[in-house]
Amino acid sequence: EVQLVESGGGLVQPGRSLRLSCAASGFTFDDYAMHWVRQAPGKGLEWVSGISWNSGSTGYADSVKGRFTISRDKAKISLYLQMDSLRVEDTALYYCAKDRGCGGGSCYGDYYAMDVWGQGTTVTVSS
Amino acid sequence: DIVMTQSPDSLAVSLGERATINCKSSQSVLNSSNNKNYLAWYQHKPGQPPKLLIYWASTRESGVPDRFSGSGSGTDFTLTISSLQAEDVAVYYCQQYYSTPFTFGPGTKVDIK
Repeated sequence: EVQLVESGGGLVQPGRSLRLSCAASGFTFDDYAMHWVRQAPGKGLEWVSGISWNSGSTGYADSVKGRFTISRDKAKISLYLQMDSLRVEDTALYYCAKDRGCGGGSCYGDYYAMDVWGQGTTVTVSS
Repeated sequence: DIVMTQSPDSLAVSLGERATINCKSSQSVLNSSNNKNYLAWYQHKPGQPPKLLIYWASTRESGVPDRFSGSGSGTDFTLTISSLQAEDVAVYYCQQYYSTPFTFGPGTKVDIK
């Protein structure tokens, strides 16, 4: 069974740091790009960051660029999100998601739709 | 950045009736090299993670009932639920994966009338 389990969320003061983790299982982790998506209370979904299968490409939402860093560890079969200089507006449920890949044929780009999602981990930024 | 808009914000449909959700991107998400629209639809129910319904604008994800269908190209897209069931009550999002930052629409809430 394909599974993603997030951890690392919690209550943190503005300006501090937090590191989220996502443990993957049930698929060949090295073959797929991965993403972080968040949902603030009462709001819609916001793509936060993505990383290609080989870590050669990363992307960030404008709202987190320069503050968040995505990474992955092949040996630990895990995805990470280092969140620095946290702001109140970063308060959200953070989901880890697996990229479904191109699926064959003519493939252009490093990222595609997100087909498997974790249950999420909650980050609360408050003084 | 590509801005995604959706209409309506919410709709209520009788059981067994058709529900139609529209999504528009501020620029084309059609890749002319492979003629694919980099557009996905997700279903999100409270307390659950989002679920992928449609990718490449019109390809149904494995296991998704065939009452869900996607259409459109370029900048204008539609998600149709042909015969609404009680379990389809959710918020539906479109998302472009054509260029980073990938962006979601604001969501459309679907309820039973």
